[in-house]
Amino acid sequence: KAGVTQTPRYLIKTRGQQVTLSCSPISGHRSVSWYQQTPGQGLQFLFEYFSETQRNKGNFPGRFSGRQFSNSRSEMNVSTLELGDSALYLCASSLETPYNEQFFGPGTRLTVL
Amino acid sequence: GESVGLHLPTLSVQEGDNSIINCAYSNSASDYFIWYKQESGKGPQFIIDIRSNMDKRQGQRVTVLLNKTVKHLSLQIAATQPGDSAVYFCAENILGGYQKVTFGTGTKLQVIP
Repeated sequence: KAGVTQTPRYLIKTRGQQVTLSCSPISGHRSVSWYQQTPGQGLQFLFEYFSETQRNKGNFPGRFSGRQFSNSRSEMNVSTLELGDSALYLCASSLETPYNEQFFGPGTRLTVL
Repeated sequence: GESVGLHLPTLSVQEGDNSIINCAYSNSASDYFIWYKQESGKGPQFIIDIRSNMDKRQGQRVTVLLNKTVKHLSLQIAATQPGDSAVYFCAENILGGYQKVTFGTGTKLQVIP
């Protein structure tokens, strides 16, 4: 079974631009979560989608948004990029029920110049 | 590889020895706990989980201990191997069908051959 895939793997943008990251979950997984990982703040939860609906959201500004499609693929968008948005963005998928293990993708490394 | 944390506490262990990685969690309402391993350039990988109605769970070479009284988790790795070198995160979750995992800051394990 293929794992979680994220595209692109690396991205360089400049301040003020916007960016869209993509995540394809494991087949059959309907929950997709996004995390931001930085050396200073560690792993922080952004949001979780299930059946095209955002079920949970972390404490990030409105510049961070996401969506999920009917095939469970998900995208996250960051508008008006700031230097501090430079990070590794991780996507994780899991089955529907609680206690289920999250499987992480390799991440997208975003650098904002 | 990518650095996942420049200021992480580091545990150095001789190959073959046992490792113990500790974690304090913050929310007394958390009822599901997970340990992840993250190698350089990769997303976190599930190691073992434990529910709040348990105080110990064993896997292959790993044991997780949960002390809810002091909100403390530990991960014990038996006969540590060079391949165990990575950053280890504990994570807590509050069930309700939603995946909103809160990660600890992480501990870097260095195995000395």
